[in-house]
Amino acid sequence: NAGVTQTPKFRVLKTGQSMTLLCAQDMNHEYMYWYRQDPGMGLRLIHYSVGEGTTAKGEVPDGYNVSRLKKQNFLLGLESAAPSQTSVYFCASSFLARSTGELFFGEGSRLTVL
Amino acid sequence: AQSVTQLDSQVPVFEEAPVELRCNYSSSVSVYLFWYVQYPNQGLQLLLKYLSGSTLVESINGFEAEFNKSQTSFHLRKPSVHISDTAEYFCAVSNQGGKLIFGQGTELSVKP
Repeated sequence: NAGVTQTPKFRVLKTGQSMTLLCAQDMNHEYMYWYRQDPGMGLRLIHYSVGEGTTAKGEVPDGYNVSRLKKQNFLLGLESAAPSQTSVYFCASSFLARSTGELFFGEGSRLTVL
Repeated sequence: AQSVTQLDSQVPVFEEAPVELRCNYSSSVSVYLFWYVQYPNQGLQLLLKYLSGSTLVESINGFEAEFNKSQTSFHLRKPSVHISDTAEYFCAVSNQGGKLIFGQGTELSVKP
């Protein structure tokens, strides 16, 4: 009963380094999302996907790229990490569009950029 | 533009006391409303939602929220809280256009 799995759970980067966060869901959901959570700011949508092979920008896409080559996986990449990208990143998926359906979240990936 | 305001960033209460977590939203169109809960070191989980119909919605663990269109509010209430309710609670609003906006979160701390 895995649901939404994120790897890695913790990562420390130096400014300018690159990395990829992997999200995998086993619920056959069409929709997948990447959010970042910062204190006092709630969750902000970075990028999302409405199906395999599609991606779209959310509220705060700058500095991030995504890919959805397989329906069950949604990758979030940081090409050149900056301290402002220190955050907790959550992946989520849903069967219906996020406006009406329940989102299922992973446990989060805590990223620190020094 | 839509927005969500959670009026309290932290709410400390004693066990078995009632609690209300306040949420106000702004939108010019019909909305769907949600409360999510985040337990320590976990992702968010849906607590309850209002899409249509009865304005009072309930969760399986005793929380309820009432959609008040005239006051544009969706406050979350529980008549008697437990230690296990300690968590961060997020109100969220969406319109039929597909955008889901989260509030800033309210930390509920239940003390013995």
